Amino acid sequence: GEDVEQSLFLSVREGDSSVINCTYTDSSSTYLYWYKQEPGAGLQLLTYIFSNMDMKQDQRLTVLLNKKDKHLSLRIADTQTGDSAIYFCAVLGNDMRFGAGTRLTVKP
Amino acid sequence: ETGVTQTPRHLVMGMTNKKSLKCEQHLGHNAMYWYKQSAKKPLELMFVYNFKEQTENNSVPSRFSPECPNSSHLFLHLHTLQPEDSALYLCASSQEYGRGAKDEKLFFGSGTQLSVL
Repeated sequence: GEDVEQSLFLSVREGDSSVINCTYTDSSSTYLYWYKQEPGAGLQLLTYIFSNMDMKQDQRLTVLLNKKDKHLSLRIADTQTGDSAIYFCAVLGNDMRFGAGTRLTVKP
Repeated sequence: ETGVTQTPRHLVMGMTNKKSLKCEQHLGHNAMYWYKQSAKKPLELMFVYNFKEQTENNSVPSRFSPECPNSSHLFLHLHTLQPEDSALYLCASSQEYGRGAKDEKLFFGSGTQLSVL
């Protein structure tokens, strides 16, 4: 099946930028999503990008898509302790595939 | 509040028990999903219902039995589970599902944390 891969952990200091990376294999992908999961909660949609775009910015969030390399990233500017969570990449191709999630830890 | 409510939040059951998970969505969506979330693994899609019809069953063991009586409610009936079935079970909904869907932004419930002893 098609795969979506993410590194499992990322640790940054408060105020720094965080970059969470995702690679995928499905070349028929149309929409790509970032979801956030806080402790004890379900996944919450943060942002998404259509495959004919290469960048989308939404306040502190910047999504970059390199369709040739099948690489998606999420940049969080001025990372805060409240950003600590698990971030999931999801790719809609023939079906929806999720990565295993990247646990972001923000240190004061 | 995402508009998707799951009950119970936590469930502990023995291997011989029968229990049910419930999901309700208040978003007017037409598609509902069951996902299994295990630590350090990608979310696993279990079942999809689109307009109350089951459209996906991703090789899920028969000890898991879904039911979708209407577009707003989804159940997952559990019986004779195994310890490896312990996980967080997430319900989600979207406006539509399948080829031709404009997108499938998913709205998730908070999940049921299941422990099988």
